[in-house]
Amino acid sequence: EVQLVQSGAEVKKPGESLKISCKGSGYSFTSYWIGWVRQMPGKGLEWMGIIYPGDSDTRYSPSFQGQVTISADKSISTAYLQWSSLKASDTAMYYCARHLGGLERHFDYWGQGTLVTVSS
Amino acid sequence: QLVLTQSPSASASLGASVKLTCTLSSGHSSYAIAWHQQQPEKGPRYLMKLNSDGSHSKGDGIPDRFSGSSSGAERYLTISSLQSEDEADYYCQTWGTGIHVFGTGTKVTVL
Repeated sequence: EVQLVQSGAEVKKPGESLKISCKGSGYSFTSYWIGWVRQMPGKGLEWMGIIYPGDSDTRYSPSFQGQVTISADKSISTAYLQWSSLKASDTAMYYCARHLGGLERHFDYWGQGTLVTVSS
Repeated sequence: QLVLTQSPSASASLGASVKLTCTLSSGHSSYAIAWHQQQPEKGPRYLMKLNSDGSHSKGDGIPDRFSGSSSGAERYLTISSLQSEDEADYYCQTWGTGIHVFGTGTKVTVL
């Protein structure tokens, strides 16, 4: 069974750093891209970026380039999303999702989400 | 620029059908999309990938009540025999070279 299991909810203060995770199982982790998607309270889905754990090839949405860092550790089938200095506006639910590649770039499995709250 | 346009809301009675539309921006009418469902307080769930010729492949366990079709730059999701659990937000998604795009979502209300 394919699963993407994300780390738990976080409460942080502005200026703090944070790294959340997404662990894949039930499939070949290095053969699928992992994407990160933001959902701010009451809003829609926004694509942030993707990584191919096989070779760590990473692409970012222009809206998030320089704001976050996406990485992966294929030895433990885990992808990460990190911030060096959080802002209140980073408060949101963050989802990871996987896609295959080539013509099959639809996200076909999603993580359960990680709620990040940034407040002083 | 690759953009997906969705109506904000749709509604239909229990047991009826509803057809949602996702429109690709100019110059992108051949693109495939995917439909995702997000029930209240839950994460998104993949429903199907929909090609420009109307062929589609569904995710695991997606009921036959969900179907897709295409016409030009428009991609449709039809939900037949509406159930209460179909009340949700529905997002379309597409992709280009190194990018992904989501539509703004359609909120479906079951009357």
